[in-house]
Amino acid sequence: DAGVIQSPRHEVTEMGQEVTLRCKPISGHNSLFWYRQTMMRGLELLIYFNNNVPIDDSGMPEDRFSAKMPNASFSTLKIQPSEPRDSAVYFCASSLGGGTNEKLFFGSGTQLSVL
Amino acid sequence: QKEVEQNSGPLSVPEGAIASLNCTYSDRGSQSFFWYRQYSGKSPELIMSIYSNGDKEDGRFTAQLNKASQYVSLLIRDSQPSDSATYLCAVSGGQNFVFGPGTRLSVLP
Repeated sequence: DAGVIQSPRHEVTEMGQEVTLRCKPISGHNSLFWYRQTMMRGLELLIYFNNNVPIDDSGMPEDRFSAKMPNASFSTLKIQPSEPRDSAVYFCASSLGGGTNEKLFFGSGTQLSVL
Repeated sequence: QKEVEQNSGPLSVPEGAIASLNCTYSDRGSQSFFWYRQYSGKSPELIMSIYSNGDKEDGRFTAQLNKASQYVSLLIRDSQPSDSATYLCAVSGGQNFVFGPGTRLSVLP
């Protein structure tokens, strides 16, 4: 199994530009999570999908952030327009079941730098 | 608001010693508890899960849960330099995981 695959690994962009992060969960996993990690705030849940349906998006910072899961094997997190305070590592994770009592498998993350 | 607290460290222990990592949580309805290890520049990886009160052992790792005290701990026996990492406590009981800020462990050769 290839694990959770994220792209790109690194993204450097200028303030105001659109950024799209991509994630392919482990095949057969029903839940997908987007997290953001910074030194100041730690690991924060942004949004959680189950069977491609957003279940909890209360962690999405503001309208500049949006996430989609058009099918079971692909999800995107978009930031438009990007700001320097969005600089962080963004992780995608998946789990087998529909609840949150199961272990998460994390991708390698995307290091985002907004200049 | 659900909170998970950990000492940020760094916690330094000599090689071969027992490292003890602690975590407290605020939501009494929490049902599942996890310890993740994160090496610098890498993604978190699960090392232990525990669901009921008591101890759970896996190799050199022992997780301890006390729901009455809302307390979870991780013991690492015979600590090795390769155990040096940040350890994240995660708690679940509803619709999402809540991660603690992590404790940085340094095992000195």
